[in-house]
Amino acid sequence: QKEVEQDPGPLSVPEGAIVSLNCTYSNSAFQYFMWYRQYSRKGPELLMYTYSSGNKEDGRFTAQVDKSSKYISLFIRDSQPSDSATYLCAMSALGGGSQGNLIFGKGTKLSVKP
Amino acid sequence: NAGVTQTPKFQVLKTGQSMTLQCAQDMNHEYMSWYRQDPGMGLRLIHYSVGAGITDQGEVPNGYNVSRSTTEDFPLRLLSAAPSQTSVYFCASSYMLGRTEAFFGQGTRLTVV
Repeated sequence: QKEVEQDPGPLSVPEGAIVSLNCTYSNSAFQYFMWYRQYSRKGPELLMYTYSSGNKEDGRFTAQVDKSSKYISLFIRDSQPSDSATYLCAMSALGGGSQGNLIFGKGTKLSVKP
Repeated sequence: NAGVTQTPKFQVLKTGQSMTLQCAQDMNHEYMSWYRQDPGMGLRLIHYSVGAGITDQGEVPNGYNVSRSTTEDFPLRLLSAAPSQTSVYFCASSYMLGRTEAFFGQGTRLTVV
């Protein structure tokens, strides 16, 4: 079992829809949770960052972390065609050495149709 | 503000050839890393460095070498290219290992024939 599981999609929604993206993980030591957005033929860019459990909101985006279930989510409200991209979850553990490295999910490809 | 710069953007190699992928950052970050991205596999860590003179292996290090002589540069060397190394390679840097935003370059698309 891979440490981080993410449904690769693809996911296609109409403009204005609410999008839910999810990742599950197996390593209970993970403390830092991130969502990256990657447009076609570009490098990933940080979208949301959460430390430990809880929710974080930034405009149309909400990130949730449920450590008891080892489950993280990204919600996009009022989705726009410009949100069409691949969304990668990433997480890391507290500590030095290799355990501090970011572990990425496979990414979910989202398409928002006008 | 350049951020993380990777060169070249595209490369075609023949099996057995060697080459170096260049990565430079201008944010004075201590931590740098190399990932490869393959369809259906996500981003997988090849090698990383926590500072000048310090490097370590990631998840898929075989066939690759790295060195870190300066804070700014972190080149990735393919010793003897194989078709299995056809991939998109990303370099990233961050202020702290895993706890802060990782800034990625634009990627190098490598094809080994």
